[in-house]
Amino acid sequence: GIQVEQSPPDLILQEGANSTLRCNFSDSVNNLQWFHQNPWGQLINLFYIPSGTKQNGRLSATTVATERYSLLYISSSQTTDSGVYFCAVGGGSYIPTFGRGTSLIVHP
Amino acid sequence: NAGVTQTPKFQVLKTGQSMTLQCAQDMNHNSMYWYRQDPGMGLRLIYYSASEGTTDKGEVPNGYNVSRLNKREFSLRLESAAPSQTSVYFCASSAGGVNIQYFGAGTRLSVL
Repeated sequence: GIQVEQSPPDLILQEGANSTLRCNFSDSVNNLQWFHQNPWGQLINLFYIPSGTKQNGRLSATTVATERYSLLYISSSQTTDSGVYFCAVGGGSYIPTFGRGTSLIVHP
Repeated sequence: NAGVTQTPKFQVLKTGQSMTLQCAQDMNHNSMYWYRQDPGMGLRLIYYSASEGTTDKGEVPNGYNVSRLNKREFSLRLESAAPSQTSVYFCASSAGGVNIQYFGAGTRLSVL
């Protein structure tokens, strides 16, 4: 199956800082999602981005499918951005594979 | 619009007991999924249902069974719970295939 690696595994920021989270995958994919899991455990879909670039407020994501990676950018981070960010990818099957996540802590 | 609803939210079982986790979605989605989340492991797929009437094994199906009761409901059953099944279980749905997934709030299960 597809291997998914996320980096860094842990990230600590001061409020207002910018950050870049990376997701590498081992094979061609036609689906890629970024999720945020808040400290209460709820998983929220941030982006569905199998290719190209999307932006939503302070968050943006870019997927370069030919080079098998995706990046999630967080600008002007806030304490509410804390949590775990997951990348999930899917190829031709219905089985999405999740990375192990990046744990983000934003201090006030 | 409730989205994906999971019950119960918390459960404690003794080894060998059985239970069923319930999941329902009101978005008319074709595909539904059950995951488990363990510390440091991300989410691992247990079973999925690509469409009503079909179910397939995921990465970690041993010790579990599922039923796609109808288009809305997808249940996960533990026939004889083991301590290794202590985890947080998430149900998800999507319109079809691996596109945008919507998750329930999770069920925190402890097996003693």
